[in-house]
Amino acid sequence: AQSVTQLDSHVSVSEGTPVLLRCNYSSSYSPSLFWYVQHPNKGLQLLLKYTSAATLVKGINGFEAEFKKSETSFHLTKPSAHMSDAAEYFCVVSDLRGNQFYFGTGTSLTVIP
Amino acid sequence: EAGVAQSPRYKIIEKRQSVAFWCNPISGHATLYWYQQILGQGPKLLIQFQNNGVVDDSQLPKDRFSAERLKGVDSTLKIQPAKLEDSAVYLCASRTLGTGVEKLFFGSGTQLSVL
Repeated sequence: AQSVTQLDSHVSVSEGTPVLLRCNYSSSYSPSLFWYVQHPNKGLQLLLKYTSAATLVKGINGFEAEFKKSETSFHLTKPSAHMSDAAEYFCVVSDLRGNQFYFGTGTSLTVIP
Repeated sequence: EAGVAQSPRYKIIEKRQSVAFWCNPISGHATLYWYQQILGQGPKLLIQFQNNGVVDDSQLPKDRFSAERLKGVDSTLKIQPAKLEDSAVYLCASRTLGTGVEKLFFGSGTQLSVL
């Protein structure tokens, strides 16, 4: 079975400082992993996805994530937080055929001016 | 391209009443999902359609929830009768039927409050 664990339910950073949102996965095969962002009253939007190509994946809005098999992690980072980054972030793993998607419990990011 | 459309945006009902949600996926997307997102949690899959057939409804509480996608395009999700614990955002998502892992496109959701 596949699952993801988001290690922090809330993260607060100051504007202009780095962002780190942590995600660990569990999968019996090489997984496909995603990060989605959910702004208030808006639909979920894909930030980036990993599908066994390069382990460092670049996404939209300056976000990136690194797939580390040895640590079963897929942490999301951004060098410098912007106020508009304040949102809920979800780490997602798909099944082998990319047919079903399993969401983590989410990390709420607050950006302090 | 147009996104996934959902309506209504908000719904408030009393417990034991019935409610229905509607979803129109992106044109050409064969796969459609309904998710339930309870406040403070990640979305949980309720049902998955491929065209007009059900692929997985193992987590759908079938005693009160039903869903259909009769023509393989629009879908409706119904709750009858509603319980307090059904208060959540109901998300519809769709994707193409490809050989790779395609991303999901989400609607804005229907926020249900059961009083």
